[in-house]
Amino acid sequence: KAGVTQTPRYLIKTRGQQVTLSCSPISGHRSVSWYQQTPGQGLQFLFEYFSETQRNKGNFPGRFSGRQFSNSRSEMNVSTLELGDSALYLCASSLHWGTGELFFGEGSRLTVL
Amino acid sequence: DAKTTQPPSMDCAEGRAANLPCNHSTISGNEYVYWYRQIHSQGPQYIIHGLKNNETNEMASLIITEDRKSSTLILPHATLRDTAVYYCIVRGGNLYGGATNKLIFGTGTLLAVQP
Repeated sequence: KAGVTQTPRYLIKTRGQQVTLSCSPISGHRSVSWYQQTPGQGLQFLFEYFSETQRNKGNFPGRFSGRQFSNSRSEMNVSTLELGDSALYLCASSLHWGTGELFFGEGSRLTVL
Repeated sequence: DAKTTQPPSMDCAEGRAANLPCNHSTISGNEYVYWYRQIHSQGPQYIIHGLKNNETNEMASLIITEDRKSSTLILPHATLRDTAVYYCIVRGGNLYGGATNKLIFGTGTLLAVQP
């Protein structure tokens, strides 16, 4: 069974640009969550989706957004990139919503220059 | 969600049991204890979780004290591949329809398994 797939794995952008990251959950999983990991702040919750609806959002500015499609795949977008957005962005899926048992992908490493 | 306290680092000899402690003295009755680990450059991996009874699976055992204020994750026979940051997370169950998959990660314990 394939795991959580995130694309792209690595990308470099410049300040002011925008970026879209993609996440394909494990087959049959309907819930997707996103996390940001930086050396200074550690792992921080961004948002979570279930049945194409955002169910919860972390303490991030409005430049961070996401969506979930009917096939449970999810994308997150960061607009007007800042240097501080450089991070590992992790997607996690779960079979049900409201469970703490998450399956994480290997992440998309974003570098903002 | 309750705050957890973990030692920043621990060493363990290969083949020996690794016992990773976690304090969660403000845990409430419906909150679960979850353990995840993150091997360098990979996404976190779920290990085990429990409410009040001890739990065991193919990866590890979780021992929760009777007052639930602390717990210990036990890796029975540590290998070099178990070198990782281990996160102890306390998470509420579904209350009043407030279901969520949100996990609050602390700084974790860096377990270094030595050959």
